[in-house]
Amino acid sequence: DGGITQSPKYLFRKEGQNVTLSCEQNLNHDAMYWYRQDPGQGLRLIYYSQIVNDFQKGDIAEGYSVSREKKESFPLTVTSAQKNPTAFYLCASSISGRARETQYFGPGTRLLVL
Amino acid sequence: AQSVSQHNHHVILSEAASLELGCNYSYGGTVNLFWYVQYPGQHLQLLLKYFSGDPLVKGIKGFEAEFIKSKFSFNLRKPSVQWSDTAEYFCAVNAPNSGGSNYKLTFGKGTLLTVNP
Repeated sequence: DGGITQSPKYLFRKEGQNVTLSCEQNLNHDAMYWYRQDPGQGLRLIYYSQIVNDFQKGDIAEGYSVSREKKESFPLTVTSAQKNPTAFYLCASSISGRARETQYFGPGTRLLVL
Repeated sequence: AQSVSQHNHHVILSEAASLELGCNYSYGGTVNLFWYVQYPGQHLQLLLKYFSGDPLVKGIKGFEAEFIKSKFSFNLRKPSVQWSDTAEYFCAVNAPNSGGSNYKLTFGKGTLLTVNP
């Protein structure tokens, strides 16, 4: 069953703590993306990667970091520098990152601050 | 940088009513346009897309959208909504970013559609 999996579904972060959100895809896509969704704000791009070992900042990269060591995996770390981390985080992928491609989305991880 | 405006934050309709959700974008060059839908508890999924050709495109579940270049618009329509259409709808534009070397998908803020039975 092909698709994108994100874990955990809910994640709690304490003040000053770094947390990592997992994103895995078995669609054989080269491009992967992380978005943040806040109520009434739509989706905003955090980071994206079009190839293994390469990634670029999106619109709101401050306080976040990523790695792309494997084609199928694109984990996102929310660092303590992110002052307002409470949000719904969506991972997506597309074939190669070209303009006309559909992006496919995972089920999301909801991050809450304790 | 491109921006996408969705004018209606929350739309409430009764079943069988007609639907039109507005979407306007700011980029003046060639754009690729998408509507995504997020049903309660489900993944964000593609509803329809437009790249070129016939400006009236049809998507899943009876939805359609019309690209009007002169108005920078890509409005979503459905002649008769059902209770199962209750969801959040996002318009998105894929256009070159400020550097011109990469394309970026920019989303509107979304429109929550509630259909009452």
